Amino acid sequence: DAEITQSPRHKITETGRQVTLACHQTWNHNNMFWYRQDLGHGLRLIHYSYGVQDTNKGEVSDGYSVSRSNTEDLPLTLESAASSQTSVYFCASSPGGGAAEAFFGQGTRLTVV
Amino acid sequence: GENVEQHPSTLSVQEGDSAVIKCTYSDSASNYFPWYKQELGKRPQLIIDIRSNVGEKKDQRIAVTLNKTAKHFSLHITETQPEDSAVYFCAASPPYNFNKFYFGSGTKLNVKP
Repeated sequence: DAEITQSPRHKITETGRQVTLACHQTWNHNNMFWYRQDLGHGLRLIHYSYGVQDTNKGEVSDGYSVSRSNTEDLPLTLESAASSQTSVYFCASSPGGGAAEAFFGQGTRLTVV
Repeated sequence: GENVEQHPSTLSVQEGDSAVIKCTYSDSASNYFPWYKQELGKRPQLIIDIRSNVGEKKDQRIAVTLNKTAKHFSLHITETQPEDSAVYFCAASPPYNFNKFYFGSGTKLNVKP
């Protein structure tokens, strides 16, 4: 079955280190998104992509970057991890082209110490 | 951009009672309104959605209503059960952003047995 997977599921890192969270989907969806989830803030969009080589900033993109070299993957990089980036991160994908369901990965819990 | 507000932030009901969660949106161009359920430690999953050409949609014990004039939409859960306990997120998606979702801050629903 097609799915979307994130790795790692849990990560502890130190302040200042570069961290990359992986997201892989097998639906061949054009659209991919990264959100962070914090108590009281719901799901906030970090970056998104509408296809290969396309990336766009979301509402909370400072300190994060993404790249889209193929359809299946959208890795999220924290350039220099900060304690404020401790959060649960969700990747999602959707087929695009109009109103359609977004499918979420299992989430990655990142702790920056 | 779109702004989605969701109320209440927490809701506690007795098993068998009904629960209503309300969302408002700011962009009159938004035309797709999904609702996601997130159980503790799990990923958000779509439970129902509605498009702007429809005023109401039902799926067993769940219904969503949309008032385009007032720019608000609501989730109704009847005959609540303990397994309905979760965090519920509403979202709005305008057509010009290819499935970019703007999420509400979430409602934690607790169904007491």
